[in-house]
Amino acid sequence: EAGVAQSPRYKIIEKRQSVAFWCNPISGHATLYWYQQILGQGPKLLIQFQNNGVVDDSQLPKDRFSAERLKGVDSTLKIQPAKLEDSAVYLCASISSGQGGTEAFFGQGTRLTVV
Amino acid sequence: SQQGEEDPQALSIQEGENATMNCSYKTSINNLQWYRQNSGRGLVHLILIRSNEREKHSGRLRVTLDTSKKSSSLLITASRAADTASYFCATGVDNNDMRFGAGTRLTVKP
Repeated sequence: EAGVAQSPRYKIIEKRQSVAFWCNPISGHATLYWYQQILGQGPKLLIQFQNNGVVDDSQLPKDRFSAERLKGVDSTLKIQPAKLEDSAVYLCASISSGQGGTEAFFGQGTRLTVV
Repeated sequence: SQQGEEDPQALSIQEGENATMNCSYKTSINNLQWYRQNSGRGLVHLILIRSNEREKHSGRLRVTLDTSKKSSSLLITASRAADTASYFCATGVDNNDMRFGAGTRLTVKP
């Protein structure tokens, strides 16, 4: 079974530039998450999708961050414009549909450096 | 906001010793999971415990859940150098949500 694929692995941009991350979840997984993990901290949930609908985006800075999951499969996360404090690893995870909690599979992440 | 808080923040032990990490949370949960993250890599699921369960085992791992105290513990027995990693608890309330704590950084010295 192929895992969660993310690209790019690394990205360096200047502040005020825009950047996009891509995630391909495990085939058949209905729920997809994007997390932001700043160095030394735990992952912070940015947005959760169920198929192509948003379940929770309460912690997504909507003035600069956007995410979509067209057709309920791949997802993209965009930052425009980037700030220095956006430097972090962006993790994508997916789970199959289920109730009461299910093991999540994580991608390797995209390490973003904003200079 | 993050749901769980792990304790201690860092733990250093010798190979062969047991390691215990704790997770406390603030609101009622449906389930709690533990994940491991090696340096520079993604998170790997270790074990899931549901709110109606009190204890689960998986190999050298033992997880307990006390819903009255809103806390969970992860015990790693007979630790190995390869267990060196950060360990996170993630709580789920509804709709398959997962919110992580700040983690415990475990170092196992050979």
